[in-house]
Amino acid sequence: GAGVSQTPSNKVTEKGKYVELRCDPISGHTALYWYRQSLGQGPEFLIYFQGTGAADDSGLPNDRFFAVRPEGSVSTLKIQRTERGDSAVYLCASSLSGPRDNEQFFGPGTRLTVL
Amino acid sequence: AQRVTQPEKLLSVFKGAPVELKCNYSYSGSPELFWYVQYSRQRLQLLLRHISRESIKGFTADLNKGETSFHLKKPFAQEEDSAMYYCALRDGSGYSTLTFGKGTMLLVSP
Repeated sequence: GAGVSQTPSNKVTEKGKYVELRCDPISGHTALYWYRQSLGQGPEFLIYFQGTGAADDSGLPNDRFFAVRPEGSVSTLKIQRTERGDSAVYLCASSLSGPRDNEQFFGPGTRLTVL
Repeated sequence: AQRVTQPEKLLSVFKGAPVELKCNYSYSGSPELFWYVQYSRQRLQLLLRHISRESIKGFTADLNKGETSFHLKKPFAQEEDSAMYYCALRDGSGYSTLTFGKGTMLLVSP
């Protein structure tokens, strides 16, 4: 079956602009995660959804970052007033239920470049 | 706070040589440890987890709580093992998400 998909694969924007990154999890997976991977770093946790609600958003760096999952499937990560430091690969993952005892399956990522 | 350290950015070996990718962690509770791998132009995928105690693609890793380590080993490296390897930790006592190390690039030359 289809794995986790993310669109767009690449996004170039200018400082100060607003961007939306989309994640389509594996069908039937109730848990969804967003990570950010900066150059030379490992993935860094941003937010975790169980169903429609954000169960843990402790990794969001500031209030410019926001994510939604209104119907418990597709999720959108939204970044307002982008800064050059937001440039990174944004990874989405999903699992069958919560993180405990369940493997996370990763998408290919969206490479965001803020000029 | 939990932390995962992978001291080597790059490990270069010849085909057939033994490989050990180091991972040390800092966590006060009971952790679960994982190794993830990312081959060229592919997505990040789970390689193995310590609770499974299994060998995947010839790789093994043993959790050493005394040394707070979870090194990844393979006795004879193959060219197809060339990839980026990430060690990750999760709180084993309750739910939590993954904390990753910075990764080690393994290059296996013919």
